[in-house]
Amino acid sequence: AQSVTQLDSQVPVFEEAPVELRCNYSSSVSVYLFWYVQYPNQGLQLLLKYLSGSTLVESINGFEAEFNKSQTSFHLRKPSVHISDTAEYFCAVSDSYNTDKLIFGTGTRLQVFP
Amino acid sequence: DAGVTQSPTHLIKTRGQQVTLRCSPISGHKSVSWYQQVLGQGPQFIFQYYEKEERGRGNFPDRFSARQFPNYSSELNVNALLLGDSALYLCASSSQGAASYEQYFGPGTRLTVT
Repeated sequence: AQSVTQLDSQVPVFEEAPVELRCNYSSSVSVYLFWYVQYPNQGLQLLLKYLSGSTLVESINGFEAEFNKSQTSFHLRKPSVHISDTAEYFCAVSDSYNTDKLIFGTGTRLQVFP
Repeated sequence: DAGVTQSPTHLIKTRGQQVTLRCSPISGHKSVSWYQQVLGQGPQFIFQYYEKEERGRGNFPDRFSARQFPNYSSELNVNALLLGDSALYLCASSSQGAASYEQYFGPGTRLTVT
């Protein structure tokens, strides 16, 4: 069975500061890893994903995440956050047999202050 | 192009009643998945349907059922509603076989059970 742990339920940060949202996973098989973002009263949007290859993946809006197999982690980082980054961020995992069955963490609420 | 659509947006039901939620996937997508997101938690996988067949089922009671129609739209049914069924129900679609490994989520249906 797979599981995802997001240790931080809330992360407050000032605008233009760097941020890291932590994600650890547990699985006995090879996994694919995802970060989704949920803005208030909206559905989930894919931020970035790791399938294979380079362990560092980037999104178009400045976020990046690094897959670390030895530490079973997939932390999300951004060097300088904006007010508009305020949202709920979910880390998710799937196995290679059914990539449509996502196991989500409990989420991290990123609150960016001016 | 239209994204994933869900109806209704909100609904309120009484304990013991039955409810049907509807989802229309992105045009060309043949896979539909359902998730339950209880307030303050991450989404939990309920069902996945592909080409009208159930491909995956999460740890939910038999009160939950779903089906997919020839046009790939889907319905989620919940019988004998309990207070704990109050949640945001998310539908996601994907084009399995395109190797994109990306699910597109709808805005969700907010179900309140009183």
